Amino acid sequence: GAVVSQHPSWVICKSGTSVKIECRSLDFQATTMFWYRQFPKQSLMLMATSNEGSKATYEQGVEKDKFLINHASLTLSTLTVTSAHPEDSSFYICSARGASGGWEETQYFGPGTRLLVL
Amino acid sequence: GQQLNQSPQSMFIQEGEDVSMNCTSSSIFNTWLWYKQEPGEGPVLLIALYKAGELTSNGRLTAQFGITRKDSFLNISASIPSDVGIYFCAGLRGTSYGKLTFGQGTILTVHP
Repeated sequence: GAVVSQHPSWVICKSGTSVKIECRSLDFQATTMFWYRQFPKQSLMLMATSNEGSKATYEQGVEKDKFLINHASLTLSTLTVTSAHPEDSSFYICSARGASGGWEETQYFGPGTRLLVL
Repeated sequence: GQQLNQSPQSMFIQEGEDVSMNCTSSSIFNTWLWYKQEPGEGPVLLIALYKAGELTSNGRLTAQFGITRKDSFLNISASIPSDVGIYFCAGLRGTSYGKLTFGQGTILTVHP
């Protein structure tokens, strides 16, 4: 149980285009999903918290118009990197927090999406 | 943002050796989590700790939630080459709306 998927696993795009990344909880309902960015050999940096049916909460320094988050259901959240530039190239990881039971305090991570902007 | 103090930063060990890593904080946490991340993958949950003093095992892994609620350790016994990866501790406060605070990670290398 507690499986989180991400799609795509990797994407290469041209500068100026937008890229959408999906995060799904496959076998549980996630009231909250989190989006992280990770640079090589560094820890995860939280970008935003996504709650089903409400606006995402962004961390300081993260542009909400640049990184659009939609949490349309209890099993799906999307991150859209708008007008991507080479400096947006990174490893993006989502996590999902369980809606009930002992999973409430535990986050399960997706496999990550490698974005390369040319 | 705030991070937990995780040590050591890296470890180079021989197969069969035991490994110990820990995380400390100046603040109290309600939950401690330990994750392992392999290259190109997302973190995988190893052990979750919910009560102060709790000692939990998962195969060759053992982790404890410190009595003061400000620290946790992870031990790996009889290491094998597939233990290689980055290990992260993460803490959760009751007031953080589910947001985790991460340690800097421990890079583990196991020589056959």
